[in-house]
Amino acid sequence: DAKTTQPPSMDCAEGRAANLPCNHSTISGNEYVYWYRQIHSQGPQYIIHGLKNNETNEMASLIITEDRKSSTLILPHATLRDTAVYYCIVSPNNAGNMLTFGGGTRLMVKP
Amino acid sequence: DTAVSQTPKYLVTQMGNDKSIKCEQNLGHDTMYWYKQDSKKFLKIMFSYNNKELIINETVPNRFSPKSPDKAHLNLHINSLELGDSAVYFCASSQEKSYTFGSGTRLTVV
Repeated sequence: DAKTTQPPSMDCAEGRAANLPCNHSTISGNEYVYWYRQIHSQGPQYIIHGLKNNETNEMASLIITEDRKSSTLILPHATLRDTAVYYCIVSPNNAGNMLTFGGGTRLMVKP
Repeated sequence: DTAVSQTPKYLVTQMGNDKSIKCEQNLGHDTMYWYKQDSKKFLKIMFSYNNKELIINETVPNRFSPKSPDKAHLNLHINSLELGDSAVYFCASSQEKSYTFGSGTRLTVV
């Protein structure tokens, strides 16, 4: 079972920031927070991950609360191509760990 | 070059048949996986294979068997196909924190 809770769907205006929340109140100390997205029926695509510090890369920013019980993925300037299902996953950082996907958030970016 | 490639992309077959889906990764990753995404769009782990160690999701029927001829390949063989096996199957590989997925194989059992 997934250890995360996400809203099933969200809308965002094109060019605006998309903030996708995720609750992971039972996260363990050795578990990382991963974000993936799935565009239409393609394979899931890695976005970003973090342990406790905020992270930023060319795709997005990840804000993790101090108690690590929740996080927010931020797409700073959403485009129509960002329309996808976004998955928040917690997983230990051990080789061979299987990712357990929940229902994700279906983000619809609108013109 | 495609990092994780699956073949075929589409597969339509009759109930009771045996079929295989192939997966190859050129990333040098140590671990490979198979995931199933059903019509409700839930992605479920089926297998993890690392250095000849196979970890099986206990809910996967034993009609499904992964076969790994070498570290770069993890094929999925399915015996006695059933209607409920219709889904999109994704192969993936990982090294430490980095997971890469293939583009999927859409299996339709008729």
